[in-house]
Amino acid sequence: DAMVIQNPRYQVTQFGKPVTLSCSQTLNHNVMYWYQQKSSQAPKLLFHYYDKDFNNEADTPDNFQSRRPNTSFCFLDIRSPGLGDAAMYLCATSRGLAGAPNEQFFGPGTRLTVL
Amino acid sequence: KQEVTQIPAALSVPEGENLVLNCSFTDSAIYNLQWFRQDPGKGLTSLLLIQSSQREQTSGRLNASLDKSSGRSTLYIAASQPGDSATYLCAVRVQGGKLIFGQGTELSVKP
Repeated sequence: DAMVIQNPRYQVTQFGKPVTLSCSQTLNHNVMYWYQQKSSQAPKLLFHYYDKDFNNEADTPDNFQSRRPNTSFCFLDIRSPGLGDAAMYLCATSRGLAGAPNEQFFGPGTRLTVL
Repeated sequence: KQEVTQIPAALSVPEGENLVLNCSFTDSAIYNLQWFRQDPGKGLTSLLLIQSSQREQTSGRLNASLDKSSGRSTLYIAASQPGDSATYLCAVRVQGGKLIFGQGTELSVKP
């Protein structure tokens, strides 16, 4: 009965080689989020989709892109991964953006290694 | 700019102790506050969510309080067990729906 699923759980890529991380949800939530969490740091929001509307955080590098082809799936594309992009990438969903309760549900994460 | 701070950064206690984890935030304009648990190398598990209008929430051995005016929340864990060992993160939900996280408290419960 997994609700937020991320694939793969572990991803190894080479410096500069494009990589795509996948997230899917069975909750039929309107909002999907991507967070980056570097070692021993707090998760940091990269961007989110409200339905088909994309909202990028001001300090998210251009190297990071996202696609949401339908309600259930959302992808994180890293166009040219650098060593500093090695991190855990967390996908989350919520029913809405504000108001009660709009709890965020997180997937298990994808740990990205850049060689 | 909203900032979330968690103290202490790490905590080690013997099994059976009651303990309190602290979270503070700089801007009281929040929708809610969520406490998460994160095991090493894993994702986040939501423990408790407190709406901005609420004062506390309880789930089993966990009790979370919220004092929005002073920008503080506490997570109380009763009768701690080795299985409680993990990193505990608090996060506040702000306008636009994003969560702002603290850096977490790494808890170790010794048998």
